[in-house]
Amino acid sequence: EADIYQTPRYLVIGTGKKITLECSQTMGHDKMYWYQQDPGMELHLIHYSYGVNSTEKGDLSSESTVSRIRTEHFPLTLESARPSHTSQYLCASSLNSGNTIYFGEGSWLTVV
Amino acid sequence: AQSVTQLGSHVSVSEGALVLLRCNYSSSVPPYLFWYVQYPNQGLQLLLKYTSAATLVKGINGFEAEFKKSETSFHLTKPSAHMSDAAEYFCAVSESGSSNTGKLIFGQGTTLQVKP
Repeated sequence: EADIYQTPRYLVIGTGKKITLECSQTMGHDKMYWYQQDPGMELHLIHYSYGVNSTEKGDLSSESTVSRIRTEHFPLTLESARPSHTSQYLCASSLNSGNTIYFGEGSWLTVV
Repeated sequence: AQSVTQLGSHVSVSEGALVLLRCNYSSSVPPYLFWYVQYPNQGLQLLLKYTSAATLVKGINGFEAEFKKSETSFHLTKPSAHMSDAAEYFCAVSESGSSNTGKLIFGQGTTLQVKP
């Protein structure tokens, strides 16, 4: 069983607010990822990290930013939320390339 | 560039019937292939993965998939559907070898409905 946790699970916020979605894993995985998934649609990679102080943009452009100060922690921040940011955000991690990628339960963000 | 195509956004079967979810991939290097399942309001759970070992891969909950290089396919099957199998299923690909970044490219998903 994967030990990767996301908070909050559900969040409704107003336009213009700053929000941070938290993601933590206790497996010591170097690689971490953020995927965005609109309802009924496929997942798109928006950020990934190979280790501490490493962050890269994913395949889908996103206005969010990430940081990786500690191995176990990979938070995602939106400085000024907009309704177009309404989506599900899934955090994931893996030990090495080719290893299984484990997903958290997701954070549902609604911007009103 | 890699890509994944899942044929059929919705599949409906009767309880006890064969489940077949189709996945075709495109990759310039030998791929790693995955099937994930997503239940409502939950994250993704790994069903099975292919990493260049046996071409027939067995996963959890009675699912299996066969890697067919000649057809660039990795279809998911289960001999007998159960009501609890109703969920969204995603096929995904990543690159193997030195070019592997660990990133997954997902298909658009297939919703499996199981009728009593």
